Amino acid sequence: AQSVTQPDIHITVSEGASLELRCNYSYGATPYLFWYVQSPGQGLQLLLKYFSGDTLVQGIKGFEAEFKRSQSSFNLRKPSVHWSDAAEYFCGVASYQKVTFGIGTKLQVIP
Amino acid sequence: DTGVSQDPRHKITKRGQNVTFRCDPISEHNRLYWYRQTLGQGPEFLTYFQNEAQLEKSRLLSDRFSAERPKGSFSTLEIQRTEQGDSAMYLCASSTLDGVGETQYFGPGTRLLVL
Repeated sequence: AQSVTQPDIHITVSEGASLELRCNYSYGATPYLFWYVQSPGQGLQLLLKYFSGDTLVQGIKGFEAEFKRSQSSFNLRKPSVHWSDAAEYFCGVASYQKVTFGIGTKLQVIP
Repeated sequence: DTGVSQDPRHKITKRGQNVTFRCDPISEHNRLYWYRQTLGQGPEFLTYFQNEAQLEKSRLLSDRFSAERPKGSFSTLEIQRTEQGDSAMYLCASSTLDGVGETQYFGPGTRLLVL
């Protein structure tokens, strides 16, 4: 069975600083990978996805993620964080339609 | 494209009562999913439909839970004899194939509190 590990439960960064959120997955075949963002009390919004091809994928709101098969990782990055990026971020891997999510990383942005 | 909608957004009920939630997917999506998210956790898969057929159910979906999608459009999730452990956010998603793979788009969720 597939699994996702997000090792950082909570991260605090200063506004304008760069950001990297870690995600490691366990899956036997070529994974379909996702990053979603969730604001308090809201549903999940898709940031970006990887199905195949270029291992560096661009998403919305200036986010990007890099798929590294050798490390089983799909880390999310943003060069300059904005206060509005404060939210919870979920990495997911898809298998037979359903998505398995990590526990999430809560991002706090300080001025 | 109006997105996935869910109703109600919030529900407070007493233990032992039955509750029903509704999900309206994006109109051209033929797959629909239900997930449950408890505090401090990521969403967990409950069940999914392709058109009106329910194709997979998680072991998390006890006998008190039932989901339907009668005409392949909206779906309902019913919980009978609610328990305090059912308190969670219930998320619905619908999906489309993007050439190679499938992308799920989520609704705003229904937050259930069982007293």
